[in-house]
Amino acid sequence: GAGVSQSPSNKVTEKGKDVELRCDPISGHTALYWYRQRLGQGLEFLIYFQGNSAPDKSGLPSDRFSAERTGESVSTLTIQRTQQEDSAVYLCASSLARGVRDTQYFGPGTRLTVL
Amino acid sequence: GDSVTQMEGPVTLSEEAFLTINCTYTATGYPSLFWYVQYPGEGLQLLLKATKADDKGSNKGFEATYRKETTSFHLEKGSVQVSDSAVYFCALKNNNDMRFGAGTRLTVKP
Repeated sequence: GAGVSQSPSNKVTEKGKDVELRCDPISGHTALYWYRQRLGQGLEFLIYFQGNSAPDKSGLPSDRFSAERTGESVSTLTIQRTQQEDSAVYLCASSLARGVRDTQYFGPGTRLTVL
Repeated sequence: GDSVTQMEGPVTLSEEAFLTINCTYTATGYPSLFWYVQYPGEGLQLLLKATKADDKGSNKGFEATYRKETTSFHLEKGSVQVSDSAVYFCALKNNNDMRFGAGTRLTVKP
């Protein structure tokens, strides 16, 4: 597609349930990032994938959070046993490579609400 | 670690007013600097960027100059429009590490 797409656009879940969020990066982009944006706050880095290298998981807030990416395609962010504090917009971004000059292109985000 | 600090909002201006949103950063090495914009109900979009000291990024009438001596990348526009109402994020990229400011909400009134 022309840009980064994410699904679902909105997700409402009950506390304790697991959720899966999907990101389709721009074709050919080797780098993929996940961020969390809590209401009224800036972006919080979660995890970074670059090609087939081991992902940088340093931003994941707890072991309830995990993400996978197959090659240079789709990525899935999974949150297990969701808590109300997980409510946020989850943003995915991709870039052509990992260089300092490479621009990240963002998807529209998934708004997660945990009741 | 690297960080970005930007002017707290919200900022409310009248149409055709001059806009400045301050952004300063802390980083080792030579990061690239970015401004992203998030219009209501939309995702983040790149507004402009600068990849080395003294570079000026510009787009849609907005400008920002990479000032290494003051570690700043202030966003400016000479005459804002109602359609510029959005949240603006300053960001830096150092190696594969991206850091964002907290965002500044701008509202432009007719």
